[in-house]
Amino acid sequence: NAGVTQTPKFQVLKTGQSMTLQCAQDMNHEYMSWYRQDPGMGLRLIHYSVGAGITDQGEVPNGYNVSRSTTEDFPLRLLSAAPSQTSVYFCASSSRGGGVTEAFFGQGTRLTVV
Amino acid sequence: SQQGEEDPQALSIQEGENATMNCSYKTSINNLQWYRQNSGRGLVHLILIRSNEREKHSGRLRVTLDTSKKSSSLLITASRAADTASYFCATDSGNTPLVFGKGTRLSVIA
Repeated sequence: NAGVTQTPKFQVLKTGQSMTLQCAQDMNHEYMSWYRQDPGMGLRLIHYSVGAGITDQGEVPNGYNVSRSTTEDFPLRLLSAAPSQTSVYFCASSSRGGGVTEAFFGQGTRLTVV
Repeated sequence: SQQGEEDPQALSIQEGENATMNCSYKTSINNLQWYRQNSGRGLVHLILIRSNEREKHSGRLRVTLDTSKKSSSLLITASRAADTASYFCATDSGNTPLVFGKGTRLSVIA
């Protein structure tokens, strides 16, 4: 099994550009999440989904958009990139929410906005 | 806002020594998990402890949970250079995704 796959691994954007970070999982997990990791800040939740067609905001949702049309995929869209969005982005999935089961993480996307 | 707070922020020990990291959290939880992150990689699950458990073991890992003090500790015994990584505690908040602390950076010197 591939687990959680994120693409691309690295990306440089200019301020104002838009892009989509891809996340796919092959474990048939209902729960998927996007986090960003900044130095000294740990992981902060951006958006999450508890199943296909259902999404909700996390702690830091501004400037990001998500959709969940299938169980497998959970893309994260940056609408108009800003330097403050320079970060490492992680996608995670789990079979259940509420911390009942372990979360599986992708390898991350390192994004730089110039 | 972040629920868990790890302590210390950084820890440096010699190979063979034990490493202890602590996590404090703010609100009641159902479960607490510990994760490990090697530099530049994704997080990997280490162990899950439920709120009605006080201690759990997995190989060289020992986790304790004190719900009255809202704290947990992760002990790595007989540490190895390969244990060098950042360690995060994560707590649940109802049916929403895990909330992570800022992590402890562990360096094990050979």
